[in-house]
Amino acid sequence: DIHMTQSPSTLSASVGDRVTITCRASESISDWLAWYQQKPGRAPNVLIYKTSNLGSEVPSRFSGSGFGTEFTLTISSLQPDDFATYYCQQYSSYPRTFGQGTEVKV
Amino acid sequence: EVQLVESGGGLVQPGGSLRLSCTVSGFIFANFAVTWVRQAPGRGLQWVATMTETGHVAHYADSVRGRFTVSADNSRNTLYMQMNSLKVDDTAVYYCTTGSGWNDPWGQGTLVTVSS
Repeated sequence: DIHMTQSPSTLSASVGDRVTITCRASESISDWLAWYQQKPGRAPNVLIYKTSNLGSEVPSRFSGSGFGTEFTLTISSLQPDDFATYYCQQYSSYPRTFGQGTEVKV
Repeated sequence: EVQLVESGGGLVQPGGSLRLSCTVSGFIFANFAVTWVRQAPGRGLQWVATMTETGHVAHYADSVRGRFTVSADNSRNTLYMQMNSLKVDDTAVYYCTTGSGWNDPWGQGTLVTVSS
């Protein structure tokens, strides 16, 4: 199984900050990586697919990059609505696997 | 608009069974893969199973293979997940979502509690 490791696990930030979350895969996944945002009590919502493609209606302050085993999610200017938990997911092979999550909080 | 609605969750004793349903609307069900993802209380996301282009191949996580079975009723636009021999560790909110790779959109989830 491909193990996904996110860092940090928790991130304290303020509105307007530039935020970067890293996701590392235990082996190469090419660019088969997605990022999700989840708020408490809600289902996840896709932000980015295939490493760098924005999901539908996702604000342009979100961006993704990387290839192989190292990936990043960047929020260029953190907004109040962005305080949430973020997960990366590989879909290069089965079983699909998620990172453990990064909580972005004040 | 694509929508997915899960149902069938509840409280069950260890060793018991439940059948979850995921009813979809807004797209041609048979042409899409559908995936189940679960989230234990206070924990992260865990992929459970995917049925590719509903009715074709099913993939399962090791933790549920042999106990969970996904099936589809294309006439009802519904995917089912039969869960047998349930364990306390299966306690989670179960989400269905479209796609065999990245997943979007997602249903609201249904809670399965396995407890004596």
